[in-house]
Amino acid sequence: AQSVTQPDIHITVSEGASLELRCNYSYGATPYLFWYVQSPGQGLQLLLKYFSGDTLVQGIKGFEAEFKRSQSSFNLRKPSVHWSDAAEYFCAVGAGSNTGKLIFGQGTTLQVKP
Amino acid sequence: DVKVTQSSRYLVKRTGEKVFLECVQDMDHENMFWYRQDPGLGLRLIYFSYDVKMKEKGDIPEGYSVSREKKERFSLILESASTNQTSMYLCASSPQRNEQFFGPGTRLTVL
Repeated sequence: AQSVTQPDIHITVSEGASLELRCNYSYGATPYLFWYVQSPGQGLQLLLKYFSGDTLVQGIKGFEAEFKRSQSSFNLRKPSVHWSDAAEYFCAVGAGSNTGKLIFGQGTTLQVKP
Repeated sequence: DVKVTQSSRYLVKRTGEKVFLECVQDMDHENMFWYRQDPGLGLRLIYFSYDVKMKEKGDIPEGYSVSREKKERFSLILESASTNQTSMYLCASSPQRNEQFFGPGTRLTVL
């Protein structure tokens, strides 16, 4: 069965520091992979997605993610974090059907120190 | 831009009431989803629909039902609300095999 693991429940970084959020997935075929961000009290917003092709994917708000098939990972990165990046981040994998169903990780809460 | 709207941002109901949460999308998406989100548990899928009048149970369907009479509207129904259904409810829609677009959420409190 498909699954997504975000090993870090909570991460704190200083403003201006680099960021990497980890995501590991379990899926038999080539996955569709997504990163979403959720600000407090809001819905989820798509940051970026990977379907095929270049394994380094650029997203909105200066984020990027790299698909590594050998490691079953899709880690999210940002070179310099801003205070407004404080939010919860979810990794998701497509469940392999035409229904658009996604399997979500448990989420990582990012806190940014001034 | 895709827009997914939910009928209420905040809702307070009493135990035993029948509760309707409405979700509307404006992009002609085939698929629609209802999730609940609780601290430490992430997003859990309640029900989804892949076509008008078609629905499938998600991971936690107990105590909920859904209705999709029109393609743009997907309703979540709590037949008899209980305090353990106090949660944030998120609706989403998607075209086939693509990302989901989320509404702003409804924070439901059952007293």
